[in-house]
Amino acid sequence: GAGVSQSPSNKVTEKGKDVELRCDPISGHTALYWYRQSLGQGLEFLIYFQGNSAPDKSGLPSDRFSAERTGGSVSTLTIQRTQQEDSAVYLCASSFKVDDWKLFFGSGTQLSVL
Amino acid sequence: AQKVTQAQTEISVVEKEDVTLDCVYETRDTTYYLFWYKQPPSGELVFLIRRNSFDEQNEISGRYSWNFQKSTSSFNFTITASQVVDSAVYFCALSEARRGTYKYIFGTGTRLKVLA
Repeated sequence: GAGVSQSPSNKVTEKGKDVELRCDPISGHTALYWYRQSLGQGLEFLIYFQGNSAPDKSGLPSDRFSAERTGGSVSTLTIQRTQQEDSAVYLCASSFKVDDWKLFFGSGTQLSVL
Repeated sequence: AQKVTQAQTEISVVEKEDVTLDCVYETRDTTYYLFWYKQPPSGELVFLIRRNSFDEQNEISGRYSWNFQKSTSSFNFTITASQVVDSAVYFCALSEARRGTYKYIFGTGTRLKVLA
């Protein structure tokens, strides 16, 4: 695609429910990153993929968070048993390769946990 | 440990003023990359610049300039003759390029408001 696409753009859910956030990177980009942006907290690294592998998942806050990438393209970030503190904007970014040193970001998914 | 500090939470300037956004980083590596990204009100972060640790030359791109000083671990960003369209949140970031991980560490951002 022309840019990084994320869906949904907004998600409101009830505490305890599971949610799936989707990221479609730019076609041909092998590296894919997930970040979380909370008010006043900057961008918090969650995980990155090189192809379908996740060399660094050190930023996932708890075992309620997981992510996968299939076919070297689409990635899904899953949050199980959502909590109110999970409310944030979840950003996805991609780059042609990991040492390209230039990220292209999507517009994010605003997650609100009630 | 890696860390990026942007001490200025919010800056307001009047159009045509010059403004400098500060960025201080911490790293134990000798090889690393520094970045600036712009997040306009529309939300998508946009890449502005990348510098590697071996290149301390300052860079100028139009009204934008960057001052990289390893001695003070700083990578400051200056906008000359600011315009309303420069209003955005600006993030500084660091990547250490260690074997096995290519994650980026971002600062908390500086919100710049340029008033007409």
